[in-house]
Amino acid sequence: AQSVTQLGSHVSVSEGALVLLRCNYSSSVPPYLFWYVQYPNQGLQLLLKYTSAATLVKGINGFEAEFKKSETSFHLTKPSAHMSDAAEYFCAVKLKTSYDKVIFGPGTSLSVIP
Amino acid sequence: SQTIHQWPATLVQPVGSPLSLECTVEGTSNPNLYWYRQAAGRGLQLLFYSVGIGQISSEVPQNLSASRPQDRQFILSSKKLLLSDSGFYLCAWTGTSTDTQYFGPGTRLTVL
Repeated sequence: AQSVTQLGSHVSVSEGALVLLRCNYSSSVPPYLFWYVQYPNQGLQLLLKYTSAATLVKGINGFEAEFKKSETSFHLTKPSAHMSDAAEYFCAVKLKTSYDKVIFGPGTSLSVIP
Repeated sequence: SQTIHQWPATLVQPVGSPLSLECTVEGTSNPNLYWYRQAAGRGLQLLFYSVGIGQISSEVPQNLSASRPQDRQFILSSKKLLLSDSGFYLCAWTGTSTDTQYFGPGTRLTVL
């Protein structure tokens, strides 16, 4: 069965510092992987996705993530944090089957300190 | 382009009252549709999904139900709300040729 873990339910960084949000997955076959961002009282917005093309995926708002099969990881990074990056971030995994059920991680709340 | 709508945006209901939340998708045909619930400070819980009109699959037994009366309309209902039904309800869709779920703006439900 698929599963997703996100290390750290809450992460704080200073403005301008590196953002690193960790995601590890468990899947019997190589999956699709996603990162979503959620601002307060809003729906989830897709940041980026990995679908077995390039292992380094670039997304919106300067975020990127690298798929590492050997580590079963898909960590999200951004070189320099902005105040506007403060939000909840969800990693998700989906098997490449006809029914696209997505398994979401528990989420990481990112705070940016001025 | 495709858009997804949810209403109402917020709702306050007494315990024991009925519920109807609506989700509609524009700009696509035959989408897969999903209802999620997000309790305060917690992740997403898949409640229902639908791959076509009248086809509903339930992921979690509860006092909620879902219906899909039209291709691009997905409704979440309850006959009698419980306090534990409070949360943020999100609708999502995927297309037949896409692998990504796209989410609506959500409905904040408070049961008092």
